[in-house]
Amino acid sequence: QKEVEQDPGPLSVPEGAIVSLNCTYSNSAFQYFMWYRQYSRKGPELLMYTYSSGNKEDGRFTAQVDKSSKYISLFIRDSQPSDSATYLCAMSGAGTASKLTFGTGTRLQVTL
Amino acid sequence: GAGVSQSPSNKVTEKGKDVELRCDPISGHTALYWYRQSLGQGLEFLIYFQGNSAPDKSGLPSDRFSAERTGGSVSTLTIQRTQQEDSAVYLCASSRQIYEQYFGPGTRLTVT
Repeated sequence: QKEVEQDPGPLSVPEGAIVSLNCTYSNSAFQYFMWYRQYSRKGPELLMYTYSSGNKEDGRFTAQVDKSSKYISLFIRDSQPSDSATYLCAMSGAGTASKLTFGTGTRLQVTL
Repeated sequence: GAGVSQSPSNKVTEKGKDVELRCDPISGHTALYWYRQSLGQGLEFLIYFQGNSAPDKSGLPSDRFSAERTGGSVSTLTIQRTQQEDSAVYLCASSRQIYEQYFGPGTRLTVT
């Protein structure tokens, strides 16, 4: 079983919809939780990070972490065609364990 | 400011040849990471450099893979005697903090 599980999609939604992207994980040592967006043939771009449990909002994006359930989410409000990309969750422990463990990514398509 | 840069952007090589991939991190970032992304797979950690500390090589898949970082800045990932299974996108990232890794555009390696 992988440390981080993420539904690969593809997920297709109409423009303006609320999108929910999720990851589950098994390693309780994870403390930092990140979401990256990756356009085709580009490197991943950091969207948001959250430390430990809780919510964080940035514009149309909201990240949630529920450590008790080992479940993280990214919500995108008022989705736009430009949001069409692959979304990767990533996690790391605190301290010296600085490598990121990634999910496989969810491909999102926002249609007009 | 300038982001992480990688060269070459694409590399086609014959099986058995050696290749060198280069990464220029963001100025002032003390940590540098190499990841590999294969089709349908998530990002796989390869190696991590932090300042003058010994690198974390725990993700290197075989002794054909090696990396060095000169002067705490530029890094080179070397793959010796390339195999077809080495075909992937090799991504470099740099950071000041664990949770803010910034990625370059990647080098797409194809082994024929």
